[in-house]
Amino acid sequence: SQQGEEDPQALSIQEGENATMNCSYKTSINNLQWYRQNSGRGLVHLILIRSNEREKHSGRLRVTLDTSKKSSSLLITASRAADTASYFCATDAGQGTALIFGKGTTLSVSS
Amino acid sequence: GAVVSQHPSWVICKSGTSVKIECRSLDFQATTMFWYRQFPKQSLMLMATSNEGSKATYEQGVEKDKFLINHASLTLSTLTVTSAHPEDSSFYICSARDASRGQNIGGSNQPQHFGDGTRLSIL
Repeated sequence: SQQGEEDPQALSIQEGENATMNCSYKTSINNLQWYRQNSGRGLVHLILIRSNEREKHSGRLRVTLDTSKKSSSLLITASRAADTASYFCATDAGQGTALIFGKGTTLSVSS
Repeated sequence: GAVVSQHPSWVICKSGTSVKIECRSLDFQATTMFWYRQFPKQSLMLMATSNEGSKATYEQGVEKDKFLINHASLTLSTLTVTSAHPEDSSFYICSARDASRGQNIGGSNQPQHFGDGTRLSIL
């Protein structure tokens, strides 16, 4: 099962530009997480935001969470070619349940 | 930090054979592990929840006789793809929760730990 949509499905930008990805979900959550996946590789955990938090920063990453709209956004500032990857949001309902992933956004950063 | 080791990372085999994938938590105990499948250019789909000492819980549409899951210890879960066919070719990823972190609301605000995945190609 999947929670919902991420948009855009694909995003192409130039180095130095900012990239914004959005994620919507359907059920109540304990926290929401963002992951990066390089082509053919495993997942890299980027950031976790709890349901009682509205915004969180980590380096060039900024994540927002709006539980009333059941949506989250991931902003990557000053993007680099190395940021080229697929990005997934994943919701955690707590109580030992599995993460449920969104469909993902494929980001391409050209130099 | 917590590490999950998944083995093998890549396997190619003939149609009809069975393939076993291992998922180990190296420095923590995991009462629950999860198995995901990812087709090319798609997201991760939860296949099943593996519980130590009990039967796995499968998601709707996942054949439990096709994908056998065994979680015999607190550090190891295995997924066996039985009589594999080309349509089973996919990227399989496991994840684990640290049992010491607890399952309540506060304790579960920890990221899960993912293996590096297994790329399965059935000829």
